[in-house]
Amino acid sequence: AQTVTQSQPEMSVQEAETVTLSCTYDTSESNYYLFWYKQPPSRQMILVIRQEAYKQQNATENRFSVNFQKAAKSFSLKISDSQLGDTAMYFCAFMVNQAGTALIFGKGTTLSVSS
Amino acid sequence: KAGVTQTPRYLIKTRGQQVTLSCSPISGHRSVSWYQQTPGQGLQFLFEYFSETQRNKGNFPGRFSGRQFSNSRSEMNVSTLELGDSALYLCASSLDSHSYEQYFGPGTRLTVT
Repeated sequence: AQTVTQSQPEMSVQEAETVTLSCTYDTSESNYYLFWYKQPPSRQMILVIRQEAYKQQNATENRFSVNFQKAAKSFSLKISDSQLGDTAMYFCAFMVNQAGTALIFGKGTTLSVSS
Repeated sequence: KAGVTQTPRYLIKTRGQQVTLSCSPISGHRSVSWYQQTPGQGLQFLFEYFSETQRNKGNFPGRFSGRQFSNSRSEMNVSTLELGDSALYLCASSLDSHSYEQYFGPGTRLTVT
């Protein structure tokens, strides 16, 4: 069975700072996807960034980037130049490729960005 | 293009009752997945429907069921409600059953008293 662990329940950062959210996972699968989702307070869950396991290059989306360490089964999210709008719960998630769309989520990290 | 819609947004039910939640996926999307979100257990996968067939099921009791219609709209039903069923139920749609990109709805907040 696959598991996803986020070891930081809460984090705080000031505007313009950089923050890294940690995520580790466990799987025996070789073909999978990893995701970071953002759930702002009382708002819809949205996809922040995704990484295909077969790609060695780390994914980047504007201020968001990941550090994907396949051997260590680690998938951290770095947010650069943090903004107030980044305040949200962040979920790391895992999906086995070609096995449907079931996402396995971590417990989440609540990120607070202050001015 | 309209996003994923879920109705109702809020619901209060009594223990022992049953409830039906609805999800309309993004136009053209044929796969719908359901998740339960609680403070204690986090986000847990309930089931996935594609072309009116349940393709995948999470580890939930048989009281939780669902279905999908020919227009891809999906419903989930919970029978004999328990206090522990109080949760935010999220629906996500994707283009097909192999698509990794899922779009979430706003959720239905169910409170069981």
